[in-house]
Amino acid sequence: QITLKESGPTLVKPTQTLTLTCTFSGFSLTTTGVAVGWVRQPPGKALEWLALLYWNDEKRYSPSLKNRLTITKDTSKNQLVLTMTNMDPVDTATYYCVHSSIAVAVQYSDFWGQGTLVTVSS
Amino acid sequence: DIQMTQSPPSVSASVGDRVTITCRASQGISNWLAWYQQKPGKAPKLLIYGASSLQSGVPSRFSASGSGTYFTLTISGLQPDDFATYYCQQAHNFPLTFGGGTKVEIK
Repeated sequence: QITLKESGPTLVKPTQTLTLTCTFSGFSLTTTGVAVGWVRQPPGKALEWLALLYWNDEKRYSPSLKNRLTITKDTSKNQLVLTMTNMDPVDTATYYCVHSSIAVAVQYSDFWGQGTLVTVSS
Repeated sequence: DIQMTQSPPSVSASVGDRVTITCRASQGISNWLAWYQQKPGKAPKLLIYGASSLQSGVPSRFSASGSGTYFTLTISGLQPDDFATYYCQQAHNFPLTFGGGTKVEIK
C-alpha cells in the first residue's frame, strides 16, 4: 500500500526558506520507473505542479519557480525533500507530495499525500 | 507552457443526471491528459489517464474521451459521492499544467 505524508512548518516569514519533507512507504525511489514530486494549491485556487524527481535522480522543475526550488531524496529514509527559497505571501498554499510510475506514466500522479498548508506571513 | 481551459467553471446537477465537463489545451497534446477529482479538504484523486483510461478502482460511470486539444469527462448517473471539483492535467510537456477546475454542485 502506497502512502505519502508531508511534514514541515505551517508558518514561514517572507524571504525565509521553506523546507518540506515527504515520507513515503509502499515503494522505493530506487525502483526503475518510479517518480515522486510536489504539487501545490493556494486556498480556493487551482493546482500547480512544482517539481518531479525520477528513480534515476533526474529532476524536472516548474520553469517559473526553477530558481527557487530544489528537490532531493534520501532513499535510506524513504524521504523526498523540497526546499523553496525567498518565500512570499503568494506562496501560501497546501503542498502535496505525489507518486507516479511508468505503470500509468510518470507524468500522472496516482497517489497523493494528505497535503500540508503553509502560510507565508510576517 | 501549455494552457488548460476547463468549462464550465461550475455546474449544478441532480443525483442521476449525466454531466459532461470539457477541457481544452492551448496546443495539441495527443492523448496525454488526466482527470482528477478533489473533494473539499482532501487531496486530488486520479480518475482518468491517457485521456480515456480508467484508473483502477474508479467506477465505470466515469468516462472520458478526446485527443489533440479537446477533451471531455462524463459522469453518467451522478451519485452523491461525485459532488466535487474536477481538474484536467496535460502530461505532454513539462511543466505539467492543470485546468482551473470545474465544481459539480448539488442542484
